[in-house]
Amino acid sequence: AQKITQTQPGMFVQEKEAVTLDCTYDTSDPSYGLFWYKQPSSGEMIFLIYQGSYDQQNATEGRYSLNFQKARKSANLVISASQLGDSAMYFCMDGGYQKVTFGTGTKLQVIP
Amino acid sequence: DVKVTQSSRYLVKRTGEKVFLECVQDMDHENMFWYRQDPGLGLRLIYFSYDVKMKEKGDIPEGYSVSREKKERFSLILESASTNQTSMYLCASSFQGEKLFFGSGTQLSVL
Repeated sequence: AQKITQTQPGMFVQEKEAVTLDCTYDTSDPSYGLFWYKQPSSGEMIFLIYQGSYDQQNATEGRYSLNFQKARKSANLVISASQLGDSAMYFCMDGGYQKVTFGTGTKLQVIP
Repeated sequence: DVKVTQSSRYLVKRTGEKVFLECVQDMDHENMFWYRQDPGLGLRLIYFSYDVKMKEKGDIPEGYSVSREKKERFSLILESASTNQTSMYLCASSFQGEKLFFGSGTQLSVL
């Protein structure tokens, strides 16, 4: 069974600081992908970053990077140089072959 | 531009009514999904479909059914709406194993 766990319901970070949002997964699929989405207060779901299980290097997209530790089954999102516009809900997603599941999310608040 | 369209942004229904939520995508995606989002519970998968006329139960299918007669359209049906089905409903679509594209959501209130 696929399962995504996000253990931080809420986080605060000072503007311009880095922050790590935790995500652990449990899947029996030999090949899988982990995705992160951002949901601002407007409600839209914004794709941020993807990590494939066979990717040799951690994924990076601008200020976003994934700290992917396969042995620990974790795919933590790192946001560098936080901005006020980063305040939002963040969801980790297990992109299974067909069934796709999400964690419960982390609400990030960036403090000026 | 990629598009997933949900028919209504806000919907108010009465207990016991039959409710249809429609979702249309224009990207020729095989996979389509229905989620409900409640505070503190994240996005929970109701049903998904990986092909026309194919459907699979998600984690919380009770009280819901779905229909996929055409590749681009995936409908969520509440046979007899109840107050505990008041929620935000999100439709999404994707190619196999790729990122999801989401609609803007339908906030359903059942009174």
